[in-house]
Amino acid sequence: ELKVEQNPLFLSMQEGKNYTIYCNYSTTSDRLYWYRQDPGKSLESLFVLLSNGAVKQEGRLMASLDTKARLSTLHITAAVHDLSATYFCAVEINFGNEKLTFGTGTRLTIIP
Amino acid sequence: DAGVIQSPRHEVTEMGQEVTLRCKPISGHDYLFWYRQTMMRGLELLIYFNNNVPIDDSGMPEDRFSAKMPNASFSTLKIQPSEPRDSAVYFCASSQPPGRGHGQFFGPGTRLTVL
Repeated sequence: ELKVEQNPLFLSMQEGKNYTIYCNYSTTSDRLYWYRQDPGKSLESLFVLLSNGAVKQEGRLMASLDTKARLSTLHITAAVHDLSATYFCAVEINFGNEKLTFGTGTRLTIIP
Repeated sequence: DAGVIQSPRHEVTEMGQEVTLRCKPISGHDYLFWYRQTMMRGLELLIYFNNNVPIDDSGMPEDRFSAKMPNASFSTLKIQPSEPRDSAVYFCASSQPPGRGHGQFFGPGTRLTVL
């Protein structure tokens, strides 16, 4: 059974600081997704990582994938309050069936 | 496109009543997923369809839950009879055919409260 673990589960950081959220998974996969969820809202797709070494960046967020280590990271640069949300990684283990297994989520709070 | 549409957005019902949640996927998407989100259990996949056919319903908690997809533009998730432990946010998501790699697009969710 595929397990997807994120850490930390909770992260409180000051504006302007850098930090990284980690996503480990237990089964071989080369497709990983990052989503954002604001309180009381739905999930919004952030990044799609489709191969080993893939790196995607959008604003202050950068995601990378190391399929050999079964690890993805979401790096936050110079955090701002608007980034406060819960971030989920999700892994697709069987190419083509579109089924995703989600991590537990990391609740990020940016403190002014 | 309007995105994935779900109704109702909020539902409050009493234990024992039947609840029907509805979903309209994005046009052209071949896959449809039903999820449940709670604080205790996180985001759980209940069932998903490909071209209107159920592919994997292993996440459906018990026989009280059933899902249908009579056509490409409509799906329902039914709970009968409902119980307080079914209280959660239920999300519907859809995605394009395999290989596109765009991931799943989520609807706004239905917040269900069973009293």
